Amino acid sequence: DQQVKQNSPSLSVQEGRISILNCDYTNSMFDYFLWYKKYPAEGPTFLISISSIKDKNEDGRFTVFLNKSAKHLSLHIVPSQPGDSAVYFCAACEGANNLFFGTGTRLTVIP
Amino acid sequence: NAGVTQTPKFQVLKTGQSMTLQCAQDMNHEYMSWYRQDPGMGLRLIHYSVGAGITDQGEVPNGYNVSRSTTEDFPLRLLSAAPSQTSVYFCASSYANARGDTQYFGPGTRLTVL
Repeated sequence: DQQVKQNSPSLSVQEGRISILNCDYTNSMFDYFLWYKKYPAEGPTFLISISSIKDKNEDGRFTVFLNKSAKHLSLHIVPSQPGDSAVYFCAACEGANNLFFGTGTRLTVIP
Repeated sequence: NAGVTQTPKFQVLKTGQSMTLQCAQDMNHEYMSWYRQDPGMGLRLIHYSVGAGITDQGEVPNGYNVSRSTTEDFPLRLLSAAPSQTSVYFCASSYANARGDTQYFGPGTRLTVL
């Protein structure tokens, strides 16, 4: 059963606007969360992470929010740029070595 | 510094054949792992290793074997390929574990089993 879910397979946003990608999880043992970005024919690359002891982490245009009570996290990209067009995966850690990925959301930023 | 390399890029097998997917890293990382990506499923962890001589199972280990004789290499073996193993396989390495920003993925191997 999928423990990390991204319910929106795709998202289109105008350049300069905010992109919000959502992720839900079911396992309360997850204590560390990550977002990866993936271009076609390449492996995923790390984007941003957040520990369960925080509710927000920022890195430039990227901010991740964590709502533990709702078992929900989101990635905000502002402003969105055409180069941000990619598939975004959220992932959750159980312990140090087990990483569970969501199904991905394809973001298209329209110039 | 090549990062994480995977060979081959593409492979077609017949049911029952065996093969080894190669993965190498030149960053002196202790942690290495294998994932498979299937449509609608995201990436799923197959096996991982926390250092030479130490391996463990991930979420979907059945049908796959691994070993880690050196820090640099972490091959994934399919002993008897099945159509259900058609997937894109990614190898990753990290300084210590799956957490944090130090995990790097290879470009993937696309495997088709007929």
